[in-house]
Amino acid sequence: QVQLQESGPGLVKPSETLSLTCTVSGGSVSSGSYYWTWIRQPPGKGLEWIGYIYYTGSTSYNPSLKSRLTISVDKSKNQFSLKVRSVTAADTAVYYCARVDTAIDFWGQGTLVTVSS
Amino acid sequence: DIQMTQSPSSVSASVGDRVTITCRASQDIHTWLAWYQQKPGQAPKLLIYGASTLQGGVPSRFSGSGSGTDFTLTISSLQPEDFATYYCQQANNFPFAFGPGTKVDVK
Repeated sequence: QVQLQESGPGLVKPSETLSLTCTVSGGSVSSGSYYWTWIRQPPGKGLEWIGYIYYTGSTSYNPSLKSRLTISVDKSKNQFSLKVRSVTAADTAVYYCARVDTAIDFWGQGTLVTVSS
Repeated sequence: DIQMTQSPSSVSASVGDRVTITCRASQDIHTWLAWYQQKPGQAPKLLIYGASTLQGGVPSRFSGSGSGTDFTLTISSLQPEDFATYYCQQANNFPFAFGPGTKVDVK
């Protein structure tokens, strides 16, 4: 059974960089069968797809966030990571990492990141 | 980018009711459509992919149909554990997009 676990600071100051890591167990980020993705959900709101990374390092980002995003993969640690630069209060959300097969079949539990001074 | 809409935004129902949720894509996504269930404080759970294929372990009272731009999720006989918010999501091309969600609550 694949498990994903997000980790990172729960509080980030405005204009700084939000950094999260997703650790994958029971599966490999080096598998060519899947994409590894980040999704977020502002409190009380719907789901927003952030972007994905493939094991080759190929990425795709939500155009609305693209200029501030970096998603990377560390195959040696079986992890992938998210960085969002120049955050504002609008970036406050629960951030989920997940695996994409034909759909998003495994999700992390999510981690709340609050942007506040 | 593909936009997703859902209707209704909320529905009040009773245990045993048949519930139908509609999802519409702004362009043809063939059958690249998934449905998720989310309960408060939990991550979404995949119910259906490929518009109509039930994910393993999902009860058979859930079903999906549709292709192109119009899709439905049906719960044939609502159970207490089904009160939740349901999202559709297109997987035809990036950026993936989710519908705004449909909340199923107690009548």
